[in-house]
Amino acid sequence: AQKITQTQPGMFVQEKEAVTLDCTYDTSDPSYGLFWYKQPSSGEMIFLIYQGSYDQQNATEGRYSLNFQKARKSANLVISASQLGDSAMYFCAMRSTLNSGYSTLTFGKGTMLLVSP
Amino acid sequence: NAGVTQTPKFQVLKTGQSMTLQCAQDMNHEYMSWYRQDPGMGLRLIHYSVGAGITDQGEVPNGYNVSRSTTEDFPLRLLSAAPSQTSVYFCASSRQGSQTEAFFGQGTRLTVV
Repeated sequence: AQKITQTQPGMFVQEKEAVTLDCTYDTSDPSYGLFWYKQPSSGEMIFLIYQGSYDQQNATEGRYSLNFQKARKSANLVISASQLGDSAMYFCAMRSTLNSGYSTLTFGKGTMLLVSP
Repeated sequence: NAGVTQTPKFQVLKTGQSMTLQCAQDMNHEYMSWYRQDPGMGLRLIHYSVGAGITDQGEVPNGYNVSRSTTEDFPLRLLSAAPSQTSVYFCASSRQGSQTEAFFGQGTRLTVV
């Protein structure tokens, strides 16, 4: 069975500092994708970044980077130069193959990030 | 540029009532899914569809029914609402494949009293 684990229920960071949100995963599929989503207090789910299991380089999108360590099965999100608008819930997710042969997203429980001035 | 549209945004039901949450996407995506979000639980998959006429159960399917008669629409039916179904519901769509992100609707906040 596929599983995503986010061990940090909450994180605090000061504005302009970098922060790492942890994510570990478990899957037996050789091909999978890892995703991070942001959910601000308004409730919508915003896609941030994607990493493929065969990608050699860590993904980056602006201030977001994904620290992918395949042997450790971890896919941590790094936010550089935090901003007040980064305060939100962050979900790690994995697209994995079900017994049916189709793929769906499995989510972790989330990490609430609070950025202080 | 609609993307994924969910209606209603808020709903209050009495125990035992039935209702349908609507979901429509205009991106011609094969995959559509319904998730529920509960505090401390993340998003859990209720049902999903890989194309018109093809649906399957996810992690928490009990009490919910789905059908997919068109590529665009994927309604979620609550057959007999229970307080345990109080949650925020998200519909999502995506293309096929492990590399594709899902696009989410705005969510429906459902309260069953």
